Amino acid sequence: NAGVTQTPKFQVLKTGQSMTLQCAQDMNHEYMSWYRQDPGMGLRLIHYSVGAGITDQGEVPNGYNVSRSTTEDFPLRLLSAAPSQTSVYFCASSPALYHNSGANVLTFGAGSRLTVL
Amino acid sequence: AQKVTQAQTEISVVEKEDVTLDCVYETRDTTYYLFWYKQPPSGELVFLIRRNSFDEQNEISGRYSWNFQKSTSSFNFTITASQVVDSAVYFCALSEAYAGGTSYGKLTFGQGTILTVHP
Repeated sequence: NAGVTQTPKFQVLKTGQSMTLQCAQDMNHEYMSWYRQDPGMGLRLIHYSVGAGITDQGEVPNGYNVSRSTTEDFPLRLLSAAPSQTSVYFCASSPALYHNSGANVLTFGAGSRLTVL
Repeated sequence: AQKVTQAQTEISVVEKEDVTLDCVYETRDTTYYLFWYKQPPSGELVFLIRRNSFDEQNEISGRYSWNFQKSTSSFNFTITASQVVDSAVYFCALSEAYAGGTSYGKLTFGQGTILTVHP
């Protein structure tokens, strides 16, 4: 299994440009989430989804949109990039509690490093 | 609101030394989960352990051990006989347990501790 796949790994944008970070998982996990990692701040939750068609905001949602049309995919859209969105972005998935093992344990993608000039 | 504090920003040790990474958390919930993740220089995040709030037993896995104390809201991580391959950023994290015990994948992370093990 590939696990959680994120693309692209690196991206440079100019202020005001828009882009989408792709995330796909092949583990049939119900829950998916996006985090950003900034120096000295750990990882912070941007948006999360508990199933297809259901999304909600996390701690730092401003400037980002998400949708979940399928169980597998959870893209993150930057509407108008700003230098403050320069970060490393991680997508994660986890199984619902009724799975026998791994409940609440996040599997992360490899990360996407975004620079906004 | 939940909060996780890892007071040690950076730790430097020499190989074979024991090292403890501190984690203190704040939550109003009576049911919650605690985690440790490792981020090696390659950048991926690797799950190490999950502990639920009902289980205060300490856990040992090879050279790794974890000490969970609800009385002090701490979940410390000790590496015994450290090795160069242990060099990484280590994150402690906390999640609320919603109805049915699920966290919905919502974790609150600490700031991380950079561990450098010198040969």
